Amino acid sequence: EVHLVESGGGLVQPGGSLRLSCVASGFTFSSHEMNWVRQAPGKGLEWVSFITSSGNTIYYADSVRGRFIISRDNAKNSLSLQMNSLRAEDTALYYCARSLTSVTIDHWGQGTLVTVSS
Amino acid sequence: DIQMTQSPSSVSASVGDRVTITCRASEDIAGWLAWYQQKPGRAPRLLIYAASSLHSGVPSRFSGSGSGTDFTLTISSLQPEDFATYYCQQANRFPPTFGQGTRLEIK
Repeated sequence: EVHLVESGGGLVQPGGSLRLSCVASGFTFSSHEMNWVRQAPGKGLEWVSFITSSGNTIYYADSVRGRFIISRDNAKNSLSLQMNSLRAEDTALYYCARSLTSVTIDHWGQGTLVTVSS
Repeated sequence: DIQMTQSPSSVSASVGDRVTITCRASEDIAGWLAWYQQKPGRAPRLLIYAASSLHSGVPSRFSGSGSGTDFTLTISSLQPEDFATYYCQQANRFPPTFGQGTRLEIK
């Protein structure tokens, strides 16, 4: 069974940084493209970032480009999101999500909450 | 970016009803559309991909259709566990974008 477990969320002041992690199990992690998707409280879904299975190709939403960095360690079955220069509008539940094909997502973690507030 | 617009934003229905949710893309996305179901406090769940392909384990009462710019999700006979929020998402090109969601409520 596919499991994606996120960690690293918390309360951070505007301008601060956080690093989110996702540990995958139950499938061959190195064969799948991965994503981060977020959901602000009471709002809809917003895709954040995508990384290919090898890590060679990466995409970001305009709202986070230049501030967030996605990476993966296939040896450790892990996905990360380094978030810098955080803003109040980055407050959301962040999901680690596995791609079925391209950016169609077939498995989601339970999310880790990031709150940006002074 | 491609804009995805769902209608209605909310709908009330009864168990056993047939319900259709529509999703319109601001440009041609061929068949690159997915539908997700999300219940309160839970992660989204993939229902349909490539506009009409039923994801593994999803009941056959769910179906999807459409191509180009206009798509539909149909639930043929509502069950109590189907009351949730539904999102469409285009997977044609980056950035992938979601519709605003359709909340399906019990009448």
